[in-house]
Amino acid sequence: AQSVTQLDSQVPVFEEAPVELRCNYSSSVSVYLFWYVQYPNQGLQLLLKYLSGSTLVKGINGFEAEFNKSQTSFHLRKPSVHISDTAEYFCAVSERNYQLIWGAGTKLIIKP
Amino acid sequence: NAGVTQTPKFRVLKTGQSMTLLCAQDMNHEYMYWYRQDPGMGLRLIHYSVGEGTTAKGEVPDGYNVSRLKKQNFLLGLESAAPSQTSVYFCASSPSLAGEQFFGPGTRLTVL
Repeated sequence: AQSVTQLDSQVPVFEEAPVELRCNYSSSVSVYLFWYVQYPNQGLQLLLKYLSGSTLVKGINGFEAEFNKSQTSFHLRKPSVHISDTAEYFCAVSERNYQLIWGAGTKLIIKP
Repeated sequence: NAGVTQTPKFRVLKTGQSMTLLCAQDMNHEYMYWYRQDPGMGLRLIHYSVGEGTTAKGEVPDGYNVSRLKKQNFLLGLESAAPSQTSVYFCASSPSLAGEQFFGPGTRLTVL
């Protein structure tokens, strides 16, 4: 993967509303796709990953993402957010046998 | 299992001082990484290692050196610290180059 673009640096959303965090990548080969979450003052932890198979991937805390090969996207969604989802979310992509390429991150801001 | 640990958690240096950050993992992973995280810039890879005794440069290697004398440890050195190296440093490990990475809690470094 040559680059990963997270289109929004911040996404404000009301509590209990749905949210979508967007991730696009550039690559001409098969890729692995990841979303990581970083809660305030903590390290990163894996939210979900796509390696192969079903393009709809479910992760922890009610998040899911859909791999769209034709649009080279891997957008993250949650149908109803909670205040505890306040965090920064990172998309990462790797071409097989190559290291991860990271997006710049999207801060999810939950409004009460 | 402790996973990935980092020492120290916080450090303040004066310009020109040197220090070493220690990363340890107990998952028997071959691959280890050092990243820096700066506001609005996501994660940037400093150096990485594909196995004991081997290291390679990442995206932003200047001003840093690394060593991997033991499989479980990955050291990051700053020989002469500069204010531009003020950042949060994360260590990660993974069982494969293109796979999921496991992160430590980070080291917050301030260079005055």
